[in-house]
Amino acid sequence: AQKITQTQPGMFVQEKEAVTLDCTYDTSDQSYGLFWYKQPSSGEMIFLIYQGSYDEQNATEGRYSLNFQKARKSANLVISASQLGDSAMYFCAMRGKDQGGKLIFGQGTELSVKP
Amino acid sequence: EAGVAQSPRYKIIEKRQSVAFWCNPISGHATLYWYQQILGQGPKLLIQFQNNGVVDDSQLPKDRFSAERLKGVDSTLKIQPAKLEDSAVYLCASSRDVDTEAFFGQGTRLTVV
Repeated sequence: AQKITQTQPGMFVQEKEAVTLDCTYDTSDQSYGLFWYKQPSSGEMIFLIYQGSYDEQNATEGRYSLNFQKARKSANLVISASQLGDSAMYFCAMRGKDQGGKLIFGQGTELSVKP
Repeated sequence: EAGVAQSPRYKIIEKRQSVAFWCNPISGHATLYWYQQILGQGPKLLIQFQNNGVVDDSQLPKDRFSAERLKGVDSTLKIQPAKLEDSAVYLCASSRDVDTEAFFGQGTRLTVV
């Protein structure tokens, strides 16, 4: 069975500072992918970043980076230089390739950026 | 490239009525997902299609929910009869294959009264 755990229901960060959102996962698949999505109050789900289980380097996309620690089964999202527009819900998700690509989500972390 | 299209955006129905949601995935995307997102929670996978075949529907309440994907393109999700606890946002997502990111539509917000 696959499971995603996000233990931080809410986080606050000062504008221009960096913030780390935690995500741990559990899977029996040998090959899998990890994703982060942003969901603003408007409701759309916006893809941010992807990490494959066999990728040796941590993924980066602009101000987003993924701190992937395979042995610990963690895939934390780091947002650098936070902006007011970063205030939103953030979801960690996992897709196990051995199980036909089932994509499951964690419970989410609500990030609030303070001016 | 057009995104995932969903309709309607909003729907209000009375309990025990039926409702249907429609999703048009991104052209060429073989994988299609339907999720239910209750307020304050993460999206819960209801059903996953690969082309027009069902890959996973283990969390679909089959006594009242049904879904189909005609010709491996558009998909409809139906609820009959609706219950109060079905009030949620229903999200459709598609991906080119199981190795790539999934793109989401704007969702349908269902309110059952």
